Amino acid sequence: KAGVTQTPRYLIKTRGQQVTLSCSPISGHRSVSWYQQTPGQGLQFLFEYFSETQRNKGNFPGRFSGRQFSNSRSEMNVSTLELGDSALYLCASSWTSGTTGELFFGEGSRLTVL
Amino acid sequence: GIQVEQSPPDLILQEGANSTLRCNFSDSVNNLQWFHQNPWGQLINLFYIPSGTKQNGRLSATTVATERYSLLYISSSQTTDSGVYFCAFYNFNKFYFGSGTKLNVKP
Repeated sequence: KAGVTQTPRYLIKTRGQQVTLSCSPISGHRSVSWYQQTPGQGLQFLFEYFSETQRNKGNFPGRFSGRQFSNSRSEMNVSTLELGDSALYLCASSWTSGTTGELFFGEGSRLTVL
Repeated sequence: GIQVEQSPPDLILQEGANSTLRCNFSDSVNNLQWFHQNPWGQLINLFYIPSGTKQNGRLSATTVATERYSLLYISSSQTTDSGVYFCAFYNFNKFYFGSGTKLNVKP
C-alpha cells in the first residue's frame, strides 16, 4: 500500500511569507504527527492530530499551526516565516495515537527561507 | 525532562565490519522504535521494539525496558547502511527522538 506522502518536497520562501505543507497518511491511519529537523536542534515534535483533533503540541510559537481533515490528511502552516524556520519538515502517520502507535514517515518537505 | 542519549554520535566502519549502537532513556517508555535516515532525509522504520529482541536480516535490536536502554546491532555492514540512526519513543503524549548516530561505512 502507498506510504506517507508529503507535498511539496522542496520550497523556497522569503521572510514574512507563509507556507502550507501537506501530508497524506497511509490508508487506514488516523494519527498524523509533524516534526521539524534542523542541524542544530535535531528532530523536534511539532504536534499530533488524531481524528481531526489536536492531541498535543510541542514547544513552538503560535506561528506554527496545523489541522486534520476527515480523510485524515493533514496540513501544517507556518506564518510570518523567519530565517530560522528553514528546516526539513517530516510528517508521520500511525494507525492509532500515542502509546501503541508505530510511526511511518514521509520523505519530508525541505523549506528554505531567504 | 526526559533525556534520550545515543552513542556513539559518530561511527566510521570498513565494509563488512559489525557495530552496536546504543540508546539510553531516562524514563519508562511505552514504545520504542529505531529509524535509519537516508541521505535524502527520509526516516525508514527499522524496528518497533518496546521490549525483547527482534532480527531482520543483518540487523537486530534489543530493548531492556527495565534498565532503560536499547541496542541496535548491524552485522556485515554495507555502504548502503550509511546514514543517521535514530531511536525514538513515546511518553507524556509525544514522541522523543535521540540525537542520532551518524554511520559512515567505507568500501
